[in-house]
Amino acid sequence: DQQVKQNSPSLSVQEGRISILNCDYTNSMFDYFLWYKKYPAEGPTFLISISSIKDKNEDGRFTVFLNKSAKHLSLHIVPSQPGDSAVYFCAASAWGGSQGNLIFGKGTKLSVKP
Amino acid sequence: DGGITQSPKYLFRKEGQNVTLSCEQNLNHDAMYWYRQDPGQGLRLIYYSQIVNDFQKGDIAEGYSVSREKKESFPLTVTSAQKNPTAFYLCASSFGLPGAQPQHFGDGTRLSIL
Repeated sequence: DQQVKQNSPSLSVQEGRISILNCDYTNSMFDYFLWYKKYPAEGPTFLISISSIKDKNEDGRFTVFLNKSAKHLSLHIVPSQPGDSAVYFCAASAWGGSQGNLIFGKGTKLSVKP
Repeated sequence: DGGITQSPKYLFRKEGQNVTLSCEQNLNHDAMYWYRQDPGQGLRLIYYSQIVNDFQKGDIAEGYSVSREKKESFPLTVTSAQKNPTAFYLCASSFGLPGAQPQHFGDGTRLSIL
């Protein structure tokens, strides 16, 4: 049973436009959420995180929104650049990490066209 | 230049053979983790360690073993009991558990069966 779901395996957007990547979760005990970016044959790179006490966190072109009632978070990239083309993973942890691990979604492959 | 180093980048295992994947970090992180990624899948936790000489099983620990004799090092042994070892293995580390601090990843080791 997947606790973190990224329902879109892929997304294609035009350079300069907004990219919106979505993530849903089922475990109401999750209280810390992260987005990672991954290029082929490399490890994931941390992008941005948000704790459950917030509903928005912004870092440059990247903004993460959290809707706790809907158990939904999204990553907005504005403006999108060709270098943003990668696989994006959503991840979550419960109880301040006391369970010791992150739960990852299966990823969404973003392609930004010039 | 701080980071996480995984070696080797590619590894081949014969049937019935144990192999060990290396992970070293110079970030002074307390916690270290091993994940497995299969094609089209998210990352799944194998083992994690919060401090030296202590480690805990993750979601898919069967057929794997670890040790944590030094803060900087967290090697993973894929034993002959792991019947489907072909995968991309990622090591990560963080300050404490992932509840409030992001994990940082190495570039992975791809293990294949001969």
